[in-house]
Amino acid sequence: QITLRESGPALVKPTQTLTLTCTFSGFSLATTGVGVGWIRQPPGKALEWVALIYWDNGKRYRPSLESRLTITKDTSNNEVVLTMTNVNPADTGTYYCAPLGLILSHNYFDPWGPGTLVTVSS
Amino acid sequence: NFLLTQPHSVSASPGETVTISCTANSGNIASTYVQWYQQRPGSAPTLVIFEDDQRPSGVPVRFSGSSDSSSNSASLTISGLKTEDEADYYCQSFHDTDRWVFGGGTRLTVL
Repeated sequence: QITLRESGPALVKPTQTLTLTCTFSGFSLATTGVGVGWIRQPPGKALEWVALIYWDNGKRYRPSLESRLTITKDTSNNEVVLTMTNVNPADTGTYYCAPLGLILSHNYFDPWGPGTLVTVSS
Repeated sequence: NFLLTQPHSVSASPGETVTISCTANSGNIASTYVQWYQQRPGSAPTLVIFEDDQRPSGVPVRFSGSSDSSSNSASLTISGLKTEDEADYYCQSFHDTDRWVFGGGTRLTVL
């Protein structure tokens, strides 16, 4: 059974750095083709892909956010960490993590964690 | 930028059939797979269709997907609507530059 759980602060002040952790079980980020991504959803708005890290440490970032993002993995502890610097109120939303490529070459996210709500406010 | 456009909302009665479209603004949608996710209020998205027309195990056969290169769009069709189908539905595809792109979402209301 595959499970994921996102964790991090519920409230962050503008200009601060946000650090989110995705802890998962039921699959390994050491498996060829597997990646773990972050997707966010502002309140009442659509889903938006943010970042992804592959089994071989390849990293992909949303172009508009790339300068503020860092994604890393701890394969042995089944964790993926997303860091976002200089946050602003537009970064408010629910952040989800999800794997892709669990079936080789399948380029979609499934299943998803329950998400964690982050509010950026002073 | 690569964009996927969905109708903001659709509605139908129980037992009826509804189709939600997802139109790409560039390229050929048939050259890349489209996925569909269901998101019930207060819950995380779940996959209902992958690779245009494939159903994950556990998803009812009432859910089907298709892709049409002539209109550069994909569609999700739900037949025999049930009240439990009331949710937001998002299409998703992959683009070389913008990577994993989601549509704006469609609110399905089952009257």
